[in-house]
Amino acid sequence: GAVVSQHPSRVICKSGTSVKIECRSLDFQATTMFWYRQFPKQSLMLMATSNEGSKATYEQGVEKDKFLINHASLTLSTLTVTSAHPEDSSFYICSARAGEGAAYEQYFGPGTRLTVT
Amino acid sequence: GQSLEQPSEVTAVEGAIVQINCTYQTSGFYGLSWYQQHDGGAPTFLSYNGLDGLEETGRFSSFLSRSDSYGYLLLQELQMKDSASYFCAVPHNTDKLIFGTGTRLQVFP
Repeated sequence: GAVVSQHPSRVICKSGTSVKIECRSLDFQATTMFWYRQFPKQSLMLMATSNEGSKATYEQGVEKDKFLINHASLTLSTLTVTSAHPEDSSFYICSARAGEGAAYEQYFGPGTRLTVT
Repeated sequence: GQSLEQPSEVTAVEGAIVQINCTYQTSGFYGLSWYQQHDGGAPTFLSYNGLDGLEETGRFSSFLSRSDSYGYLLLQELQMKDSASYFCAVPHNTDKLIFGTGTRLQVFP
């Protein structure tokens, strides 16, 4: 149980375009989903927290107008990188938590590697 | 703010024991957890320490000393497949996770 999927696994887009990444909890309802960004050989940096049906909470320094997050249902959250630039190239990972689970009880998706050319 | 420091890299040979340390500075403390991440993969949960002491899960053990703001992950009987990055993490305000700087473990034959 507790499987989280992401789609696509890899995406290449041209500078200036937008790309959408989906995160789904396959066998549980995720009241909270988290989006992380990870640059090569670096740690996971939390970008934002989203709760179903409400606006996402962004971490300091993350542009909410550039990284649009929608948590429309208990099993789906999307991250849209708008007007992507080469510096947005990174590994984007989502995680999901059910109900009132502890913070460490997050289940991670396999990640999406974004390359902006 | 919160910070968690780990050694950047550790190397060991198959069958050996290796310890990965994590020192943290947090405002409030709600436990220390550990994750493994293979290159290009998702982090996977390894262990959690809410109280001081040692937690053992198979070949992996994790230790916490809240008075020293310190914990470690102990990997025994190392296997090649254990080559990965390891991250400690703490909850911020019981909710979101803040990850450590990460330790890359390389296991050699």
